[in-house]
Amino acid sequence: AQTVTQSQPEMSVQEAETVTLSCTYDTSESDYYLFWYKQPPSRQMILVIRQEAYKQQNATENRFSVNFQKAAKSFSLKISDSQLGDAAMYFCAYRREYGNKLVFGAGTILRVKS
Amino acid sequence: NAGVMQNPRHLVRRRGQEARLRCSPMKGHSHVYWYRQLPEEGLKFMVYLQKENIIDESGMPKERFSAEFPKEGPSILRIQQVVRGDSAAYFCASSPSGQGTIGYTFGSGTRLTVV
Repeated sequence: AQTVTQSQPEMSVQEAETVTLSCTYDTSESDYYLFWYKQPPSRQMILVIRQEAYKQQNATENRFSVNFQKAAKSFSLKISDSQLGDAAMYFCAYRREYGNKLVFGAGTILRVKS
Repeated sequence: NAGVMQNPRHLVRRRGQEARLRCSPMKGHSHVYWYRQLPEEGLKFMVYLQKENIIDESGMPKERFSAEFPKEGPSILRIQQVVRGDSAAYFCASSPSGQGTIGYTFGSGTRLTVV
């Protein structure tokens, strides 16, 4: 069974600084998708970024980028120029290529200091 | 273009009562997924449904829990004889197609509190 591990229960970053959230996963599949979701206090699950395992190039969405290391099964999220609105719980998630369910990590609380 | 609508947003039930959680998928989406988030944990898959069919219920507890997605109307997650351990946030997501689809859209969840 696939597992997703987020080893940082909580992280803090100063406004305008950069922070990296860690995620590792375990799978025997070669093709799959990886995601980062943001969950603010409103509880809404918001897709931040996704990565297809067959793509070598790291995904980027504005201030958010990933460092995808397939051999190491690592998928970290980098947030540049952190803003107060980035404060939230962040979840890393995995999905098999032709699967229908997401496997989530336990989450990392990100606090942004002004 | 409304997103995934879940109601109620908050639900309080006494032990032994029934809880019914509703999910209306996005327009044009015919696939629905239910997840449960226990306190301090990530979301855990419960069940995947298409209209009138349960496709994958591997994450559903064997007793007291059931789900349906009728031809007309919202998807319903039903919990009978609730216990304190059922207290959690329950999320619904929808997609336009099933296997292979990349994009889910999540609702804002229903927080169930059992007293």
